[in-house]
Amino acid sequence: QSVLTQPPSVSGAPGQRVTISCTGSSSNIGAGYDVHWYQQLPGTAPKLLIYGNNNRPSGVPDRLSGSKSGTSASLAISGLQAEDEADYYCQSYDSSLRNWVFGGGTKLTVL
Amino acid sequence: EVQLVESGGGFVQPGGSLRLSCAASGFTFSSYDMHWVRQATGKGLEWVSGIGTAGETYYPDSVKGRFIISRENAWNSLDLQMNSLRAGDTAVYYCARGGEGGSRRLDMDVWGTGTAVTVSS
Repeated sequence: QSVLTQPPSVSGAPGQRVTISCTGSSSNIGAGYDVHWYQQLPGTAPKLLIYGNNNRPSGVPDRLSGSKSGTSASLAISGLQAEDEADYYCQSYDSSLRNWVFGGGTKLTVL
Repeated sequence: EVQLVESGGGFVQPGGSLRLSCAASGFTFSSYDMHWVRQATGKGLEWVSGIGTAGETYYPDSVKGRFIISRENAWNSLDLQMNSLRAGDTAVYYCARGGEGGSRRLDMDVWGTGTAVTVSS
C-alpha cells in the first residue's frame, strides 16, 4: 500500500477537465513537503509534469496545473486530449520514513 | 542534451547479485542528487535509493542492507549494487536526476529509459 493515495482511475471526454487527487499525511504533504507529478505514457519512462506543487517545467502546457492544501494535492488537466491518456503519479518526501514516496498511480482514460 | 542511460540489467537467480550503471551526460553530474526508481510489470513506481552530492545515501527498508548506491563524479556515473536478490526485486530500474545540491527540490526531473531486472530460478 502506497504512502500517498491516488484513485486507481479517472476518465473524461475530450475537452473536459479532470482532477487527480493525492492524499498523504502529517509526515509528508502535511509536513510541508512539496508534491510533484509525473506522467507515464505506455511503455515509456516517467516524465516530470509538475514540481513544487504548482510549477510546470518548460514544455508542459498550461492546461495542466497543480495545487496543494493540507495533507492533499491535486493535478488538474483541462481541455482533455487523446494524448493525455496515461498513468499519473504524485510524489513527495516522508520525514518519518526518510524516504521519497510515490502514490500508487492513476490511469487516465480519455473517452 | 541532458541524458541518462542505464545498463547492466538481466536475468539472475534468487540470492544472486547484479550491478546496474547509469551514464549521465549534458549536465554537471556532480552538482545533482541522483536516484534509482523501480517499476514491476503492471505496478506503480517505487523509490529504491538516493545519493546526495556529498555522497550521503538513502534507502527504503525494502532494500536497506542489500542494495548499495554509489556515484563516480569523474566518470559521470551512478551505480546500484544489488545483492541477495529476491523475486520481488524483478522490475524495470530507472535512473533519475534529483535536485541540484543546495536546492530544496525533492523531485526527479530527468529520467533514463530503464533497464530490466528479472530474478527467477
